[in-house]
This record gives sequence, C-alpha cells and structure tokens, in this order.
Amino acid sequence: DAEITQSPRHKITETGRQVTLACHQTWNHNNMFWYRQDLGHGLRLIHYSYGVQDTNKGEVSDGYSVSRSNTEDLPLTLESAASSQTSVYFCASSRQGEETQYFGPGTRLLVL
Amino acid sequence: GNSVTQMEGPVTLSEEAFLTINCTYTATGYPSLFWYVQYPGEGLQLLLKATKADDKGSNKGFEATYRKETTSFHLEKGSVQVSDSAVYFCALRDTSYDKVIFGPGTSLSVIP
Repeated sequence: DAEITQSPRHKITETGRQVTLACHQTWNHNNMFWYRQDLGHGLRLIHYSYGVQDTNKGEVSDGYSVSRSNTEDLPLTLESAASSQTSVYFCASSRQGEETQYFGPGTRLLVL
Repeated sequence: GNSVTQMEGPVTLSEEAFLTINCTYTATGYPSLFWYVQYPGEGLQLLLKATKADDKGSNKGFEATYRKETTSFHLEKGSVQVSDSAVYFCALRDTSYDKVIFGPGTSLSVIP
C-alpha cells in the first residue's frame, strides 16, 4: 500500500546541532508539506514543495530548510537547533490539484 | 488573509451526547472546507469536506454544512462514542494554491 512515513519518530538533540527529519511518500504526489504542531497554535506551515526542485517558505520557516531532489522525499533540516523548535513535526503530501492532504505519523523533537 | 477560528477546548462529553464544534473562516473567493481528525499518537486524517456553499460533508456519523452566509462549517454528531476522543481541526484550502490553512484544533474527550 502507498503510504507516507517519517523518521525518526522521536529525537532528542542539543541546542546548536543540525538535525534532519525525513519524510518519504510512495504515492508519487507532487505536493509535499512540513508542519509543526504546538499547543495553542495548531498546525503551522514551515515549508512546502510543488515538485522536484521547487521549495517555498511557509509562515514559520526561519531556522528551517528543505530540499526536493526527487518526488518521494522532502527532508526538513534544522540548521542550528533551538529550544523553541521543540515540537511535533508532521509531513503531508497531496496530488496536484487534489484537496485532501495525507499526513505522516509525526516526529516528536526535543531540543535541550 | 485567510484564517480559521475554532471554539476553544477541551470539550468533555458523556457517551451518546450530542456534539457541536464551531468553526468560522475568513477567506476571499470560495474556499473548500475540511474537518481533519487526529487520534492520540497519530497524524491527521481527513474526516469530511465540502467544496461549495450549502454542501454537506459527512463521514462516520459526523456532519458539517458549508454556510457561506455565516462563513461557518460547524461539525456535529448526534451521539458520540468513546472512540471519537481526538483532536478535531477545521481547515480551508486556499483557492489559489494547494496550501491548507488549519484552525488551532479542538480536543474532544468522551467519557463512558
């Protein structure tokens, strides 16, 4: 079955370290998204991509970067982790022009 | 800009009670509207959607009607079950892009 996976599911890191969260989907969806989920804020869009080599900033992109070298993957990198980036991160994908987004199981990140 | 407002939670109901979770939106044009559900420890999944005014989305006993005159998309269920305990997100899809804007989420706990 087609799916969307995230790894790791849990991560503890230290302030200042670079961290990369993986997202992989097997639906061949053009669109991929990264969100963070925090109490009181719901889901906030970090970065998104509409296809290979395309990346765009969302509403909370500072301190994060993404790259899209193939259709299946959109890794999210925290350049220098900060405690404010402690959160649950969700990756999602959708077919171009389709309204429904399909979410991964999430990565819980703790920055100490 | 576009935005989604939901009633604050948490909401606690007894099994078989009637559920309403209010959602209102601000948008230009004619967005599509969604309810997503997040069960404990999981990612979000689409519960129902409506794409134009007066449409009613329904799934698993939940319903919501797209009311353009009141810019609302309230979620209802006639008789909740313990298994409905989750966080519910109202969302809209911007008509110009494939991005989805989420509300802050409403946590629902159903007790036996």
